[in-house]
Amino acid sequence: AQKVTQAQTEISVVEKEDVTLDCVYETRDTTYYLFWYKQPPSGELVFLIRRNSFDEQNEISGRYSWNFQKSTSSFNFTITASQVVDSAVYFCALSEEPNNYGQNFVFGPGTRLSVLP
Amino acid sequence: DAGVIQSPRHEVTEMGQEVTLRCKPISGHNSLFWYRQTMMRGLELLIYFNNNVPIDDSGMPEDRFSAKMPNASFSTLKIQPSEPRDSAVYFCASSFGTVGTQYFGPGTRLLVL
Repeated sequence: AQKVTQAQTEISVVEKEDVTLDCVYETRDTTYYLFWYKQPPSGELVFLIRRNSFDEQNEISGRYSWNFQKSTSSFNFTITASQVVDSAVYFCALSEEPNNYGQNFVFGPGTRLSVLP
Repeated sequence: DAGVIQSPRHEVTEMGQEVTLRCKPISGHNSLFWYRQTMMRGLELLIYFNNNVPIDDSGMPEDRFSAKMPNASFSTLKIQPSEPRDSAVYFCASSFGTVGTQYFGPGTRLLVL
């Protein structure tokens, strides 16, 4: 069965530190999609990135970067020079292609990041 | 462009009452998802629609829950009768295609007393 694990329940860092949030997934599909969402204290879910299973290129967007490694089934998220505004819960999610058995969407349990001034 | 719109934003009701949550997806999106978020269970997919048709409702917890999508711009999630354990934040999300990026509404925070 498909599964998303975010082993780090909570992380605290001091502002300007780099921090990596881990995401490990399980799927039997060869075509799938991985996502990261941010949920700040205000509660909304903000889309950060989408990656399909055939694109293993790492991506950088400002202070954010993502490392996708199919060999280890991981899709890790790094924030460089963290800021207080980065404090939020971050969710990794997996979506599979529809097939005869349906389609699966799974969110990880989330990692709560606290960036201290 | 407007994002996903949900109403009400907050709902407080008493056990046994009917609750209706509403969602307007992003224009042009043809897939719509209802999620529930609780501290204990995290984010759970309840049901999703594609082209207004319910595709998978296996996440709906009980027969007390029902969802409809009468047209491409409107969906409802109904709980009847409501129970205290239904207290949660309910999110609606929409996407272009079921594998597209899901964009979430602000959520409805439901408290059943």
